[in-house]
Amino acid sequence: QKEVEQNSGPLSVPEGAIASLNCTYSDRGSQSFFWYRQYSGKSPELIMFIYSNGDKEDGRFTAQLNKASQYVSLLIRDSQPSDSATYLCAVWEAGGTSYGKLTFGQGTILTVHP
Amino acid sequence: DTGVSQDPRHKITKRGQNVTFRCDPISEHNRLYWYRQTLGQGPEFLTYFQNEAQLEKSRLLSDRFSAERPKGSFSTLEIQRTEQGDSAMYLCASSLSRGPALPYEQYFGPGTRLTVT
Repeated sequence: QKEVEQNSGPLSVPEGAIASLNCTYSDRGSQSFFWYRQYSGKSPELIMFIYSNGDKEDGRFTAQLNKASQYVSLLIRDSQPSDSATYLCAVWEAGGTSYGKLTFGQGTILTVHP
Repeated sequence: DTGVSQDPRHKITKRGQNVTFRCDPISEHNRLYWYRQTLGQGPEFLTYFQNEAQLEKSRLLSDRFSAERPKGSFSTLEIQRTEQGDSAMYLCASSLSRGPALPYEQYFGPGTRLTVT
């Protein structure tokens, strides 16, 4: 059973700061990871995914993957109050015919205060 | 470009009743997923389809749950004899699969919130 762990938070950062969200996973064979943002009462919105070691940047968002440590993180630069949401980390299933399904962590609540 | 749509958005039902939800994926997407999410938790995988074929069903899914995707287009999720524990947000997602080699985006619909009284 693949497991994905996130600190549920809440994580509180001031406006303009860098928010760092972390995720660990249990299956060493996991290769790809997704980050979603979910506002209260809404469905998850895809931010980005990463499958290579190192960093991947998209605007104010940077995903970092360290497969040796089984650790993936999301950095949000210049945090805005509108970034206040729950951030979900998910592992992408790659094996056999089950490929493509996502196993999610419980999410981290981020609050950006003015 | 229309995204994933779900209907209804909210459903309140009495325990023991049957309910059916519908999901319309992004038009060219060949994969369709159903997830369930309860408060404070991440989405939990239920089942998914490649075109019209149901490829996997979670062991957490009881026999009261059934899903179909006739003709590989829209999908329905039915819950028979609903229980209070079925109260949750039911999420549908779709994607365009090009094979297992590389990951691909999975987009979620707005969800159907089910309340069983």
